[in-house]
Amino acid sequence: EVQLVESGGGLVQPGGSLRLACAASGFSFSSYELNWVRQAPGKGLEWVSYISASGKSIYYADSVKGRFTISRDNAKNSVYLEMNSLRAEDTAVYYCARDRNYYDASGTYYPSFDYWGQGTLVTVSS
Amino acid sequence: ETVLTQSPGTLSLSSGERATLSCRTSQSISTNYLAWYQQKPGQAPRLLIYGASTRATGIPDRFSGSGSGTDFTLTISRLEPEDFAVYYCQQYGNSPMFTFGPGTKVDVK
Repeated sequence: EVQLVESGGGLVQPGGSLRLACAASGFSFSSYELNWVRQAPGKGLEWVSYISASGKSIYYADSVKGRFTISRDNAKNSVYLEMNSLRAEDTAVYYCARDRNYYDASGTYYPSFDYWGQGTLVTVSS
Repeated sequence: ETVLTQSPGTLSLSSGERATLSCRTSQSISTNYLAWYQQKPGQAPRLLIYGASTRATGIPDRFSGSGSGTDFTLTISRLEPEDFAVYYCQQYGNSPMFTFGPGTKVDVK
């Protein structure tokens, strides 16, 4: 059974730092791309960051670029999100989500997130 | 940046009725880059449709997706009690890499 379990959330003051972790099991972790997606209280979904299977390709939303760092440890089946210079607007539930990594017979890529963790709440407040 | 617009914001229907949800993109996208998700309160989103029209594993056939270019539709043929939720469309692009629409809430009339 595929499982993604986030941890590391909590209350932090503005300007502070936090490191989220997502532990994966039930699939070949090193073969899949992972993402972080967040959801502010009562709001919609916002994609935050992507990391390729090897960790060599990384992308960020403009709202977190320069402040957040995504990384992964394929030996530990885990992906991380280091969050610095946190702001009140970073308050959200942070989800780890797996990309399906699906390509059809012609090699066309179909991006979508087929498994999600339960989320971890980050609250930035003084 | 491609902006996604979903309509209506809220859809009030009864069980057994048909739901039609719209997702429009500000630029034409490839159909393989459009997905739909369902989210219930307190739960993580669930993948419903990828490639604009292909149901994900385990998704009932009352859910269907269609569309191309800038206009995409999620249809629920006959609403079941468990279908009342918020639905998001998602597109894959250049910058940002992924964008979600604002969501359509399907609630009980």
